[in-house]
Amino acid sequence: ILNVEQSPQSLHVQEGDSTNFTCSFPSSNFYALHWYRWETAKSPEALFVMTLNGDEKKKGRISATLNTKEGYSYLYIKGSQPEDSATYLCALDRGSTLGRLYFGRGTQLTVWP
Amino acid sequence: NAGVTQTPKFRVLKTGQSMTLLCAQDMNHEYMYWYRQDPGMGLRLIHYSVGEGTTAKGEVPDGYNVSRLKKQNFLLGLESAAPSQTSVYFCASSGIGTGVYQPQHFGDGTRLSIL
Repeated sequence: ILNVEQSPQSLHVQEGDSTNFTCSFPSSNFYALHWYRWETAKSPEALFVMTLNGDEKKKGRISATLNTKEGYSYLYIKGSQPEDSATYLCALDRGSTLGRLYFGRGTQLTVWP
Repeated sequence: NAGVTQTPKFRVLKTGQSMTLLCAQDMNHEYMYWYRQDPGMGLRLIHYSVGEGTTAKGEVPDGYNVSRLKKQNFLLGLESAAPSQTSVYFCASSGIGTGVYQPQHFGDGTRLSIL
């Protein structure tokens, strides 16, 4: 069993607050880390695929960093908006298993207006 | 742009009944996956396929069978449904592209209840 841990499990913030959450994974056999955004009653949508230590990706107000040596990635949301409310999933690609991803349980973000 | 389409969207079964969930993708993806999503458990991989005619077991394969007779379709079968299989089922697909960096594209899910 490969453990991909996400923390916190849930997060409630006010509109305009900036927030961040963590994805931890075994640093051995790392190939890529995926982040997904999953809105209620919809399907997960890909945000980022990160491959290199020190990688930083940005999409609008959302950004992510990666540390493959210590096995973690941070997702940041600047100036949260109610439409950012969703579950954010990270998933580890080990490279040897033909596209198979190992998902964390997600961080559920609620942004209050 | 249909992407990944799952049918049906909802279904209620009685214990012991059988059914097949269909996943179809129009992106010419090689890899396809079936997941189940349960409260507090995240996404758990049931079975996956790396190409037409090939399938492999994931994390929670018991009680399910799959077939990939055509590249665009991936079927998930429940031979004898059990209440423990009540869940939301997601299908996903991904392409090869440059290595295995391609993100997975998900369908909208099938909500299955077993009474």
